Amino acid sequence: AQSVTQLGSHVSVSEGALVLLRCNYSSSVPPYLFWYVQYPNQGLQLLLKYTTGATLVKGINGFEAEFKKSETSFHLTKPSAHMSDAAEYFCAVSDVDSNYQLIWGAGTKLIIKP
Amino acid sequence: EAQVTQNPRYLITVTGKKLTVTCSQNMNHEYMSWYRQDPGLGLRQIYYSMNVEVTDKGDVPEGYKVSRKEKRNFPLILESPSPNQTSLYFCASRIKQGTYEQYFGPGTRLTVT
Repeated sequence: AQSVTQLGSHVSVSEGALVLLRCNYSSSVPPYLFWYVQYPNQGLQLLLKYTTGATLVKGINGFEAEFKKSETSFHLTKPSAHMSDAAEYFCAVSDVDSNYQLIWGAGTKLIIKP
Repeated sequence: EAQVTQNPRYLITVTGKKLTVTCSQNMNHEYMSWYRQDPGLGLRQIYYSMNVEVTDKGDVPEGYKVSRKEKRNFPLILESPSPNQTSLYFCASRIKQGTYEQYFGPGTRLTVT
């Protein structure tokens, strides 16, 4: 069965520092991979997605993620954190085996220190 | 504006009092889904619908009902709410085939006392 693991329920970085949020998935077939962001008291918004093609995917607000098949990872990065990046981030995977239902990680809350 | 709407946004109710949370999308999406979000558990799917009159159970369907009589609407029904259904609920939709990204409503925060 598919699963998604996000390492760290909370990640704290200083403003201006590198943001790295980790996501590992299990899937025996080519996956579709997603990162969603949830700002306080709001719904989920798509940050970026990998479907096929280029493995480095750029999203909104300066975020990007790289699909590494050999490592079954899809880590989210941003070179320089901003206070407005404080939110909860969810990684999700879907594939033909899940009938394209989204399988979700537990989420990582990103805390930005001034 | 393309969007998924949910009503109400906040609801406090008592155990056993039937309630309905409405969900509507204006993107002509075939697929719609309900999730609940609880701290530390991420999102768990309650029910989903691949098209009108087609619904299927997700991971946590107990205590919930849904219907899909029209393409745009997918209400979530709690016939006899209990305190363990206190949660944040999200409705989502997507096209049937494609990149499978889902579009989310703003959420409904339900408290059952």
